[in-house]
Formats: sequence, structure tokens, C-alpha cells
Amino acid sequence: AQSVTQLDSHVSVSEGTPVLLRCNYSSSYSPSLFWYVQHPNKGLQLLLKYTSAATLVKGINGFEAEFKKSETSFHLTKPSAHMSDAAEYFCVVTVNTGGFKTIFGAGTRLFVKA
Amino acid sequence: DGGITQSPKYLFRKEGQNVTLSCEQNLNHDAMYWYRQDPGQGLRLIYYSQIVNDFQKGDIAEGYSVSREKKESFPLTVTSAQKNPTAFYLCATHRGYTEAFFGQGTRLTVV
Repeated sequence: AQSVTQLDSHVSVSEGTPVLLRCNYSSSYSPSLFWYVQHPNKGLQLLLKYTSAATLVKGINGFEAEFKKSETSFHLTKPSAHMSDAAEYFCVVTVNTGGFKTIFGAGTRLFVKA
Repeated sequence: DGGITQSPKYLFRKEGQNVTLSCEQNLNHDAMYWYRQDPGQGLRLIYYSQIVNDFQKGDIAEGYSVSREKKESFPLTVTSAQKNPTAFYLCATHRGYTEAFFGQGTRLTVV
């Protein structure tokens, strides 16, 4: 069975400090991995994606994530948080099990303090 | 502009009433999905459709119905059988192994 675990439901950082949002996955198939961001009352926007190319993936707004197969992780990082980064972040896995199946993590709420 | 349009943005339902949420896409994607989002619970799959005139139940299909008569459209009806319909509803499309594309959501409230 496939699953996605976001290890923190809430993360709080100060503006200008690094951000780390953790994601672990479990899959019997080769996955594609994604991070999405959601601002209040909005749809989800793609931040970045891993689809079996380079393991270090750069996304929008200074975010990046590293696919570590040995650790089954895909953590999202940013060197310096900005107030506008405060939002909910979702780690998502897609696998091909004969049809495509998409699994969402439960989300991590990022708070950024001035 | 290619994208997904959900309407209305806000919807109020009286007890015992059916309501329909609209989702239209012009991305030419085959697969369309409906998700329900509740605070602190992430996204849960209601229904999905891989192709016109075919759709499958997701994890929480009870009390909902859908149709897929056109590639561009995938409306969701919240029936009176859905006992707790107040939530944020998101429509998405998917193109194989690539990312999902989301609409801006409809917030449904029971009054």
C-alpha cells in the first residue's frame, strides 16, 4: 500500500530563518513526488515536483526538496522564511499501479513570526 | 488562459436540499477529481473520472453524486443524504504522472 506522512502538523519559524517541512512516503512502485502550497480559501498551487530526474529539485519562491530513496523522504526546505510563506503545505505522491493513484499527506501549517 | 474554474466560490445549503458544484476545465486533461477538505484533515477523495461517461467512487463517496458527460465538465452534487456537507471542495485534473491542477475551491455551508 502507498502512504504519505507529513511529520509535523504545525511548524513555526521566525522571518529570515530556515524552513524545513518533513515528508516521508511508502510505496511499492516508483513514485512521483510533489509539494503544493495552499493559502486560505484558495486552491493548491504546485511548488515543485520530482519525477525521476535530478534528486534535488528547485521550485518556486526559493523552495527546494531532495528525494532520498534510501530514507524514503522528500523534505521541503527554504533558506530564509518570508512572511508570505505562511500557508498550508501538502506533500503528494503519485504512483502507477495500473492506473495512476495520488495520495495526499495531511498537510503542515507553516507559521512565520515577524 | 488554461485552467480549472469552480463555481460558485461560496454556497449555502438548507437542510434536506441537494446542491451542485460546478467544475470546468480547458486543459484537455482526461482525468478529473473531486476532493473534500476539512480543517486539519488534508484532502479526501470523493469521486474521480478517468474518461468521459465513466467515474469511480473515492474514499468518501456516500452522499455525493457526479456525472461526466463532457471532457471539460465534472459537476458534483451534494445530496441530502450527506449528513455533514459543510466543507471546502476542490476540483482537480491530472495528466498521467504529472502534477495535479486545482481549481480555487467552493466553500459549502449548511444553514
